Amino acid sequence: DTGVSQNPRHKITKRGQNVTFRCDPISEHNRLYWYRQTLGQGPEFLTYFQNEAQLEKSRLLSDRFSAERPKGSFSSLEIQRTEQGDSAMYLCASSSGGGSGNTIYFGEGSWLTVV
Amino acid sequence: EDQVTQSPEALRLQEGESSSLNCSYTVSGLRGLFWYRQDPGKGPEFLFTLYSAGEEKEKERLKATLTKKESFLHITAPKPEDSATYLCAVWVGYGGSQGNLIFGKGTKLSVKP
Repeated sequence: DTGVSQNPRHKITKRGQNVTFRCDPISEHNRLYWYRQTLGQGPEFLTYFQNEAQLEKSRLLSDRFSAERPKGSFSSLEIQRTEQGDSAMYLCASSSGGGSGNTIYFGEGSWLTVV
Repeated sequence: EDQVTQSPEALRLQEGESSSLNCSYTVSGLRGLFWYRQDPGKGPEFLFTLYSAGEEKEKERLKATLTKKESFLHITAPKPEDSATYLCAVWVGYGGSQGNLIFGKGTKLSVKP
């Protein structure tokens, strides 16, 4: 399978706990994105990386959220001190370059439920 | 404020009954309009990219068109396997930023046999 891979697919956690999601992009894609999607809504942009550099962050990305992409390969998204409002599907995507001329391919998503 | 609006929110069709989904947008610096299909519990699957007014693209029973203010996704003789949520997104760029995708809420399509 050469698509975008996300783990875990589902995570249930208690409020206040930390959670981490991993994303493996399509090989040779230098751009990696994180989006968040809640029921009945379209995906909302969180942040993106060009290789290992985090170039843009949405205001939705509070200081409890941190993302990294060491060595420009896989990426991790950590949420500290989770809140019930963090319950959502976290989508990772990748593309081979920047700008609108490069298709963004999404993974299957990681579902987070905070109880 | 950049905005993408999709209509209708939900659409029920009989198999073979053709229809269209609408995506209207108000953005500055449009650099591309994207259509994705999303099945329940899964990530969006890429369908089309349109860049300029008058452009059209087709894939099987789907045809996407673009004007200066909106895009249509036409579904011809749909089958039950076309049932999914169809998402529209626009690529917006700001100043020196490379930009990102802004999505609409989607249209949930149900095709009954």
